[in-house]
Amino acid sequence: DTGVSQNPRHKITKRGQNVTFRCDPISEHNRLYWYRQTLGQGPEFLTYFQNEAQLEKSRLLSDRFSAERPKGSFSTLEIQRTEQGDSAMYLCASGRDRGPQLGYTFGSGTRLTVV
Amino acid sequence: AQRVTQPEKLLSVFKGAPVELKCNYSYSGSPELFWYVQYSRQRLQLLLRHISRESIKGFTADLNKGETSFHLKKPFAQEEDSAMYYCAHPAGNKLTFGGGTRVLVKP
Repeated sequence: DTGVSQNPRHKITKRGQNVTFRCDPISEHNRLYWYRQTLGQGPEFLTYFQNEAQLEKSRLLSDRFSAERPKGSFSTLEIQRTEQGDSAMYLCASGRDRGPQLGYTFGSGTRLTVV
Repeated sequence: AQRVTQPEKLLSVFKGAPVELKCNYSYSGSPELFWYVQYSRQRLQLLLRHISRESIKGFTADLNKGETSFHLKKPFAQEEDSAMYYCAHPAGNKLTFGGGTRVLVKP
């Protein structure tokens, strides 16, 4: 197991296009998180899954954003009709059932640039 | 809302000098706090947790409930400590992060 894997590492897209990112968590972790990080800021929570159930969504997750984790393993984050303000690093993390108290493992992120 | 504040965006110190990164939290209960570190071109990783009272890579952090602080300290900074450091605490099912402090250790 090589940790949390995210693809692609970088994505450049034109405004208005749709993009999809993928996260493969550590296999024995049943919790999966998405965060967004903009320049000069700490990571901001977007959403989290326990197994295949999406249990919490941030108000940052507008209706253009959708996340899935269909089989409780990998997850996808889709952004429709991208805007320049969506440019950020999108981080995925996974953790065990006891939640953030143990500190979870982050992936390397997908850097999105909307031009 | 529960907040974590890191007042310093940048700390620049010389090798061998002490370094202290400030973190203040607003939380009325008994807090659980973390420090995460991100070295250049690497992923965000857990440095230490308040509950474990450990010292990692020479860093320690003490919870001060009176001052609502969880400052990260190292008595003798090394060049390899240059990185971004984030203070974080759990809020429900997620971690809330501070804005981060960039540490630059000069030779």
